[in-house]
Amino acid sequence: ILNVEQSPQSLHVQEGDSTNFTCSFPSSNFYALHWYRWETAKSPEALFVMTLNGDEKKKGRISATLNTKEGYSYLYIKGSQPEDSATYLCAFLTGKLIFGQGTTLQVKP
Amino acid sequence: NAGVTQTPKFQVLKTGQSMTLQCAQDMNHNSMYWYRQDPGMGLRLIYYSASEGTTDKGEVPNGYNVSRLNKREFSLRLESAAPSQTSVYFCASTPRGWTGEPWNTEAFFGQGTRLTVV
Repeated sequence: ILNVEQSPQSLHVQEGDSTNFTCSFPSSNFYALHWYRWETAKSPEALFVMTLNGDEKKKGRISATLNTKEGYSYLYIKGSQPEDSATYLCAFLTGKLIFGQGTTLQVKP
Repeated sequence: NAGVTQTPKFQVLKTGQSMTLQCAQDMNHNSMYWYRQDPGMGLRLIYYSASEGTTDKGEVPNGYNVSRLNKREFSLRLESAAPSQTSVYFCASTPRGWTGEPWNTEAFFGQGTRLTVV
């Protein structure tokens, strides 16, 4: 059984706060680590696909880092906005794509 | 520009009825997946197909069967629906994750099928 764990399960922050989430995954048979943003009643949309140890990716106020040797990735949101409210999923690509249970972020104005 | 198309979008079944969820992608992807989404549990993998002609069990395969009809289409069948199968089902595709194939691209998802079994 491949375990992909995300923490925390949920997070409530004020507008303007910076926040981060963790994704831990097996350190063997690694092909890629994905981050997705998932809004209610919609399909998940990709934020980042990371393949190399030490990868850092950035898209606007959102960034992610990857450590494949120890099996973790961090997602950071700088200066959270209400529109950032969503569930953030990480997924571990080995022969198949396995998702964590997600971190639900709520940003209060 | 269709991407991944799932049908139907909504379905209500009675316990014991059968149905097939359809999924098709037009991106020439090799791998296709079926997930179910339940509150607090993210996306759990039911079955996947790494390439045309192959299928494998995921985390929660019991009560489901799949068919990779061709490279484009991957269907999920519930032979005898149970209330525990009430969920939102998502189909997804990726180029593939094996050596020699591109794996640095994201998965693309269908719009989901909301299934209720009463």
